[in-house]
Amino acid sequence: GENVEQHPSTLSVQEGDSAVIKCTYSDSASNYFPWYKQELGKGPQLIIDIRSNVGEKKDQRIAVTLNKTAKHFSLHITETQPEDSAVYFCAASPLGGNQFYFGTGTSLTVIP
Amino acid sequence: EAQVTQNPRYLITVTGKKLTVTCSQNMNHEYMSWYRQDPGLGLRQIYYSMNVEVTDKGDVPEGYKVSRKEKRNFPLILESPSPNQTSLYFCASSSGTAEAFFGQGTRLTVV
Repeated sequence: GENVEQHPSTLSVQEGDSAVIKCTYSDSASNYFPWYKQELGKGPQLIIDIRSNVGEKKDQRIAVTLNKTAKHFSLHITETQPEDSAVYFCAASPLGGNQFYFGTGTSLTVIP
Repeated sequence: EAQVTQNPRYLITVTGKKLTVTCSQNMNHEYMSWYRQDPGLGLRQIYYSMNVEVTDKGDVPEGYKVSRKEKRNFPLILESPSPNQTSLYFCASSSGTAEAFFGQGTRLTVV
């Protein structure tokens, strides 16, 4: 089955700096890669996703890049703010299925 | 408002006492699933369902049961809970082509 690895497990940045979280996956059949943000006491919420026919996607301060050849994808958050502090999960999934394979999460702290 | 509702939010029980965690979604999604979240292990899928009366095992199904008698509901059943099932549980639903929507979570403690 699919194996998703995520790094780093914890990340602290100064407010205004950028944060990068990286994930690798093992199954070349995976073609949908969502990123979820989990705030304390809440369920994960989708913040951005990318499909395998796209190399990069941006939404305001958040961007995701995908390298299918190398089987890795990354989340980039620019101009970080304290409200970006949360746990972030990457995931990989074959589109059209119900199998999401999650990374182990990155706890991001933005220091004011 | 689109949502996935889990109940209860918190549950403390004793070993061997059967329990059910309910999950309901109002988005008419075909796909529903259950995950458990443990420190350092991320989210691991327990069971999933692609439609009414269609369920399948995820990565960690041992000790759990599910049923899908109606499209909107997908309860998780622990017939004989054990301490190693102490965890944070999430129900999720999706249309199968895009994002999964998660419930607020159920924190289960088995003593």
